[in-house]
Amino acid sequence: EVQLVESGGDLIQPGGSLRLSCTASGFSFNTYGLTWVRQAPGKGLEWVSSVSGKTGRTYYADSVRGRFTISRDNSKNTLYLQMNSLRVEDSAIYYCARFMHCGGDCPIDYWGQGTLVTVSS
Amino acid sequence: EIVLTQSPGTLSLSPGERATLSCRASQSVSSTYFAWYQQKPGQGPRLLIYAASSRATGIPDRFSGSGSGTDFTLTISRLEPEDFAVYYCHQYGIPPRTFGQGTNLEIK
Repeated sequence: EVQLVESGGDLIQPGGSLRLSCTASGFSFNTYGLTWVRQAPGKGLEWVSSVSGKTGRTYYADSVRGRFTISRDNSKNTLYLQMNSLRVEDSAIYYCARFMHCGGDCPIDYWGQGTLVTVSS
Repeated sequence: EIVLTQSPGTLSLSPGERATLSCRASQSVSSTYFAWYQQKPGQGPRLLIYAASSRATGIPDRFSGSGSGTDFTLTISRLEPEDFAVYYCHQYGIPPRTFGQGTNLEIK
């Protein structure tokens, strides 16, 4: 069974930093692309960042580029999101998710339960 | 970026009825790169449909997707109690990936 478990969410002041983790199980971690998607309270879904399974190439939304860094440790089956210079508008539930294997641009097929980040003074 | 507009915002129906949810894209999207998700309170989204009309693993055949270009539809043929949730459309072919704002399917 595919499982993705996020952790690291917290209440943080504007300008602060936080690192989210996502521990995966139930699949060959190093062969899958992974992503972070966030959802502000009561709002819709916003893609944040992705990392390729094969090349480790990274991608970012304009809203977080230069402030957030996605990385993965294949030896630990863990995905990370380092978030710096946090803003109030970064407050959201952050979901870790997996891309389907499909040979091109692929849909997300599994999601975690999410971890809550609140940026407030 | 591509804006996805879902309608209606809220859909009130009874179990056993047919639900039709719509999603319109601000520009043409290849049907190869279009998906639908279901989300229940306190849970991450669940993939229902990808490539516009392919059901994901384990999804009942009462769920079907159709559409092309700028107009896509999710149909639930006969609503079961567990189908009442929020539904999101999603395009993943033109960066950045974007989602619709959601349709809340509620029990009438």
